[in-house]
Parts: sequence; C-alpha cells; structure tokens
Amino acid sequence: DAKTTQPPSMDCAEGRAANLPCNHSTISGNEYVYWYRQIHSQGPQYIIHGLKNNETNEMASLIITEDRKSSTLILPHATLRDTAVYYCIVRVGLALETSGSRLTFGEGTQLTVNP
Amino acid sequence: DTGVSQDPRHKITKRGQNVTFRCDPISEHNRLYWYRQTLGQGPEFLTYFQNEAQLEKSRLLSDRFSAERPKGSFSTLEIQRTEQGDSAMYLCASSLEDTDYEQYFGPGTRLTVT
Repeated sequence: DAKTTQPPSMDCAEGRAANLPCNHSTISGNEYVYWYRQIHSQGPQYIIHGLKNNETNEMASLIITEDRKSSTLILPHATLRDTAVYYCIVRVGLALETSGSRLTFGEGTQLTVNP
Repeated sequence: DTGVSQDPRHKITKRGQNVTFRCDPISEHNRLYWYRQTLGQGPEFLTYFQNEAQLEKSRLLSDRFSAERPKGSFSTLEIQRTEQGDSAMYLCASSLEDTDYEQYFGPGTRLTVT
C-alpha cells in the first residue's frame, strides 16, 4: 500500500471549514483514498473514500487532485465533536482474499476544533 | 445493530501471565480484524478472518499470539507469557466482504502488563 503523509496537527474554529491535507505521491492506479477518524477513547470510524472523482457524503467531502498524488478532506462546518485524529489511508479497492484487506494507518492529523 | 463489542474493556496483568480477549462483531459481517494501537500511533494490523478462516497474519503477530474465530461469529485473541511490550489497546473491527474498506471498530481492550 502507498505511504501517506499528513501534518501532525491542525486547529480549526468551530463553525468554519476544516481542510485536512494528505499526500500520497506513490499511489497506484488501482488504489483508493480512504479517510477514517478516531475520537479520543473510541475505535476508528470510516468517513469517506474516493478513487479520482470528488466525493461527498453526510459527514465530509473528499477532493482528490487530478494527478491523484494528494487529497483534502473537508469538514464544511466543524463542530467540537469533530475533534479527533484523522487518518488518510491508501489501499486497493477490491482486496484479494489473502492480502490487501488490512488498513494501514499512519500517525494521522490531530484536529482540534476550538470554540 | 449494536455495533462491535469487546470484552473486557480493561485488563491489567502481570508479566508472564496469559490473557484472552473477546470480540463480538456486527452479526452479518463475515470479516473480522484485530489491530493493536500504542499511545500516539495509529492502529497496526494483526490478523483477519473471513468467516472462521484466518486469512492473513501480520509479522507483528508473534508465536505468543493466537486468534480464533471457531464458528465464524465471535473471535478471541490470546496472548501467552505476556511482556511489558504487549501493553497496548487491542482493537477489533468487522466488515462485509464486498465493502471491507469500511471496517466498523469496537471500543478496544486496553491491556496493561506490569
């Protein structure tokens, strides 16, 4: 799986958009970008994923650059409950049965939403 | 849907003792995963099952670690002869086979080896 690089920490004001960047310059053509977050003392939670088109769901938007070497997770109106560690993961979309099903987490970005 | 549950939530043990953790996945999920997380790090993959078959094991899973999922439902993770380096949060997750990128995590079992 491709390696990802994220800033260790970011701050955001409550009600403003939080833009979390991720670099994945060695991503392969069959690899997707996935985002998870982990609120303190909880297990990680899936947010969103994409291959090359921008994606949006009820939690966030994902913008992937045209060359697919980087992406940005956008929380449009951050709340205090969005304070968490956000992980960007690159992985094949359809995992082989005996390999590829794992998620490889880095150290993520600690997002702190301030009142 | 009650989510993924893990038991116990906390375990304190002395070095050299054996410990066993249990994970109950979401009922219709046929894939079950174990991860380990130490302070300040992201979770690290240990192993996963599809139904009762253990399909992949990480090199992190030494011979002191064994995981089972005997009936394709709940799973257990046993650590024999615990060492202080085993102190960590042990996370269980489950997923459907076709959407295995969307893994649902339990709250974890925090192990402290003294």
